[in-house]
Amino acid sequence: GQNIDQPTEMTATEGAIVQINCTYQTSGFNGLFWYQQHAGEAPTFLSYNVLDGLEEKGRFSSFLSRSKGYSYLLLKELQMKDSASYLCAVWDSNYQLIWGAGTKLIIKP
Amino acid sequence: GAVVSQHPSRVICKSGTSVKIECRSLDFQATTMFWYRQFPKKSLMLMATSNEGSKATYEQGVEKDKFLINHASLTLSTLTVTSAHPEDSSFYICSARPRNKGPLEQFFGPGTRLTVL
Repeated sequence: GQNIDQPTEMTATEGAIVQINCTYQTSGFNGLFWYQQHAGEAPTFLSYNVLDGLEEKGRFSSFLSRSKGYSYLLLKELQMKDSASYLCAVWDSNYQLIWGAGTKLIIKP
Repeated sequence: GAVVSQHPSRVICKSGTSVKIECRSLDFQATTMFWYRQFPKKSLMLMATSNEGSKATYEQGVEKDKFLINHASLTLSTLTVTSAHPEDSSFYICSARPRNKGPLEQFFGPGTRLTVL
């Protein structure tokens, strides 16, 4: 079956750095997405990786290793507004998005 | 940027009634729209994919007679939850893919919180 694993919850301090990991097992792979979702709101797009390596976009970076079925989202200089759930999602061979359950990130002052 | 709206944002209804949720692409034409359901602390679950002018494709386990999807125009898709029951209470989210764009382009609506009493 298809499976995406990410930690349920993480806590970090304002101004610090946090890494949210995601491992996946899917039927085919056409890319991996990271979305941010604040409570009660729809997900918003953060990043898309289809090739191995690190993609940097401001305070957020996303890494992919296709051979390991692994990705991480790196958030730097954490701000209180970064408190949200972060969803990892993979496009399978049919371009269907397979979603992880999300990682709730709690930022403390 | 591309904007997708949903209406209503919140709805409370009695058990046995039907509820219609609208999803609109405001500044682009969407050939494909997706409907998701999300339970608290759970991942998004794709319910169905609808292409303009054709019948929706439902995911396994989703009752097509209970969740009626209509995609009558390039800017509007509707989801009707028929004879709603408390277990249908959830957060329903639509997303839309612009015409002539690749699968990477997908924009989400703000979601509709349905509570069935």
